[in-house]
Amino acid sequence: GQQLNQSPQSMFIQEGEDVSMNCTSSSIFNTWLWYKQDPGEGPVLLIALYKAGELTSNGRLTAQFGITRKDSFLNISASIPSDVGIYFCAGPQGGSEKLVFGKGTKLTVNP
Amino acid sequence: DGGITQSPKYLFRKEGQNVTLSCEQNLNHDAMYWYRQDPGQGLRLIYYSQIVNDFQKGDIAEGYSVSREKKESFPLTVTSAQKNPTAFYLCASSRLRQTSNQPQHFGDGTRLSIL
Repeated sequence: GQQLNQSPQSMFIQEGEDVSMNCTSSSIFNTWLWYKQDPGEGPVLLIALYKAGELTSNGRLTAQFGITRKDSFLNISASIPSDVGIYFCAGPQGGSEKLVFGKGTKLTVNP
Repeated sequence: DGGITQSPKYLFRKEGQNVTLSCEQNLNHDAMYWYRQDPGQGLRLIYYSQIVNDFQKGDIAEGYSVSREKKESFPLTVTSAQKNPTAFYLCASSRLRQTSNQPQHFGDGTRLSIL
């Protein structure tokens, strides 16, 4: 089946630094979703991308839908301690209602 | 407020016991989903349902069962056949992709442990 490869697996940064993570696949996706999960909570949708080349921002977060439709990037600018968590990319599996998820990027921000 | 409610937050299971996790949504979403999350892993799909009284197996359905008698409710039963049930269980819902491109929204999860 389709798989999403997220990198890096984990990041340790200082408060104020910018962060970049990505998600790649061998298959084409028509939608890319980025979620954040705080410890012990459910994932919360950050950004949804629906068009190749689309660049969308949500506050300090910016995500891009790759031109090839096989990748997506999430950037966080000027990180703060509450950015700590696990960031997941996801996309719909084929033409179905099912989503396939990456394994996540765990972000730690040192004050 | 509209949302997805999972209960209980924490659940303990004895050997040989079935337990049921509750998921209720008031978003009027047609589709509902159950995922299992293990440490360091992504989300793996257990079961999903696109319409009342119908559901499909996901990637790891063995040892689990579901029902969808009402649009707003999608309970998951972890049966005694599931030998490694300790995990964080997440419920999600969404509109059908054929009617809307809206993504899945998640509840706050239930953490299941073995006594």
